Amino acid sequence: AQSVTQPDIHITVSEGASLELRCNYSYGATPYLFWYVQSPGQGLQLLLKYFSGDTLVQGIKGFEAEFKRSQSSFNLRKPSVHWSDAAEYFCAVGEGGATNKLIFGTGTLLAVQP
Amino acid sequence: NAGVTQTPKFQVLKTGQSMTLQCAQDMNHNSMYWYRQDPGMGLRLIYYSASEGTTDKGEVPNGYNVSRLNKREFSLRLESAAPSQTSVYFCASMRTGTHEQFFGPGTRLTVL
Repeated sequence: AQSVTQPDIHITVSEGASLELRCNYSYGATPYLFWYVQSPGQGLQLLLKYFSGDTLVQGIKGFEAEFKRSQSSFNLRKPSVHWSDAAEYFCAVGEGGATNKLIFGTGTLLAVQP
Repeated sequence: NAGVTQTPKFQVLKTGQSMTLQCAQDMNHNSMYWYRQDPGMGLRLIYYSASEGTTDKGEVPNGYNVSRLNKREFSLRLESAAPSQTSVYFCASMRTGTHEQFFGPGTRLTVL
């Protein structure tokens, strides 16, 4: 069965420090991979996506993610975290096609210390 | 463009009451989705609609019905609300071929 695992429920980093959020997926075919961010009380905003091609993808707000097929991973990174990055981050895998139903991970809540 | 809008933002129901959550998008997207978000469980797909006139079950459809009224609107109905349906509900839409879903701001529902 398709699934997405985000092993870190909660992460705290200092402002200016680097960040890596982990995501592992289980999917039978070539996955469509996404990272979304949710600020408190808000909907989800797409940070970046991977469909094919270059395995390092750039997104908004200075985020990037690397697709590693051998590790079934799609980890999200940022070189220097800002206080405004505090939010919940969701990794998702989609089946593509006309409907692209998404399966979400359970999320990682990021706190940023001053 | 307003994107994806949802009404109401908040709702409190008693067990057994019914209600309809409304969703509309102004991006001319073909596909629309309803998710629920519960603590520690991420988002789970309730129903989706690939195009006007079609709807299909997602991962957790029990206790819900949907209507794709037209290309813009996709409503979610709870016929007899239960406390287990206390959740935050998100509507999303997607233009065919892009694989990007755009989300509304959510409806926070409490069933007492």
